[in-house]
Amino acid sequence: SQTIHQWPATLVQPVGSPLSLECTVEGTSNPNLYWYRQAAGRGLQLLFYSVGIGQISSEVPQNLSASRPQDRQFILSSKKLLLSDSGFYLCAWNPGQGYGYTFGSGTRLTVV
Amino acid sequence: GQQLNQSPQSMFIQEGEDVSMNCTSSSIFNTWLWYKQDPGEGPVLLIALYKAGELTSNGRLTAQFGITRKDSFLNISASIPSDVGIYFCARETSGSRLTFGEGTQLTVNP
Repeated sequence: SQTIHQWPATLVQPVGSPLSLECTVEGTSNPNLYWYRQAAGRGLQLLFYSVGIGQISSEVPQNLSASRPQDRQFILSSKKLLLSDSGFYLCAWNPGQGYGYTFGSGTRLTVV
Repeated sequence: GQQLNQSPQSMFIQEGEDVSMNCTSSSIFNTWLWYKQDPGEGPVLLIALYKAGELTSNGRLTAQFGITRKDSFLNISASIPSDVGIYFCARETSGSRLTFGEGTQLTVNP
């Protein structure tokens, strides 16, 4: 069966520090991978998605970047965090069109 | 055209009551998805709808894909405390991307 792992679960970082959040999927190959951010427990905003190794599409210009160094690994990064980067970050995957998403358990990021 | 309007934003109900929430869009599309998010967790898929008029149940949950392909509703019958959470509708766009509604926060009082 397929599983998705996301870590860490919570993170408190100072303004200006770097960020690296990791997401991995097991039990499947060539998944579509996504990073979403959720502010204040409401709407989900798509940040990045990837349909293959090294292929990253950005939905919203911002202080963040994403990379996919391996087929089942998706990384969200920042060189210098801003206060506005605080939020709940969710990784998700799907095998293709029409299958919906499976989400990870999320990372609660607080920038102080 | 790609915005999803989800209502109500929040609901406060008594245990045992039925719940109804809906989503509308000015665009037509081919897939409606309903997710539930428990506090501090990622959303979990509840029901997926693929055809206009389709009515699908999952336990006490029932969802329908509107005939016009521009709306969908989700009903929860005989609510229980564990139904608490945020319910999201979502539609699939090109590239297998999902656009989500703003969510309905459900509170169930025992």
